[in-house]
Amino acid sequence: QLVLTQSPSASASLGASVKLTCTLSSGHSDYAIAWHQQRPEKGPRYLMYLNSDGGHTKGDGIPDRFSGSSSGADRYLTISSLQSEDEADYYCQTWGTGFWVFGGGTRLTVL
Amino acid sequence: DVQLVESGGGLVQPGRSLRLSCAASGFTFDDYAMHWVRQGPRKGLEWVSGISWDGDIIVYADSVKGRFTISRDNAKNSLYLQMNRLRAEDMALYYCAKSDSLAAAGTEWGQGTLVTVSS
Repeated sequence: QLVLTQSPSASASLGASVKLTCTLSSGHSDYAIAWHQQRPEKGPRYLMYLNSDGGHTKGDGIPDRFSGSSSGADRYLTISSLQSEDEADYYCQTWGTGFWVFGGGTRLTVL
Repeated sequence: DVQLVESGGGLVQPGRSLRLSCAASGFTFDDYAMHWVRQGPRKGLEWVSGISWDGDIIVYADSVKGRFTISRDNAKNSLYLQMNRLRAEDMALYYCAKSDSLAAAGTEWGQGTLVTVSS
């Protein structure tokens, strides 16, 4: 079964960097994913597509501070030079034949 | 600019029906697959249904199969979700989203329309 696992919460200081993790279930380590940001009271916002070798393509207007990388079944979202506006929920998403799967989301707190 | 604007949400009693709409603009609507995704109160994102660019391929989550029907009208640049036999657990913010194909990332999202199921 295709499942994405994320830690429920993360925190980092203003100006620092943070690395969020999304783990694919066993047997699905070659799947690509997407990262989405959801600020409070807003709809999700597409950040990037990330494949199994770490190649990533960002959405329009996504700052260079956001980057992606991969290792085995893990997919990472790194945010550098954290700003207060980065405080949000971050979801990873993958897909099968016509269906989507989301991770449970990570709530990022900027201290 | 790409815009997806959902409408049609509201308060509905359990067992009743509701039809959601998503008006698309700023891109060639019939070049893209479309999806509905929902978010329950204080919960994460849950995929509901997807439809191919031409409407020929339709997929549903098990939780809504047999109760919800997705459709699109490419002439009107619109996506729909007919929701029948609504349950308390269907209460959520419903988002529409576009993707290059059914099996691809969602790359644009609407702001959502709220469905409240309560007697």
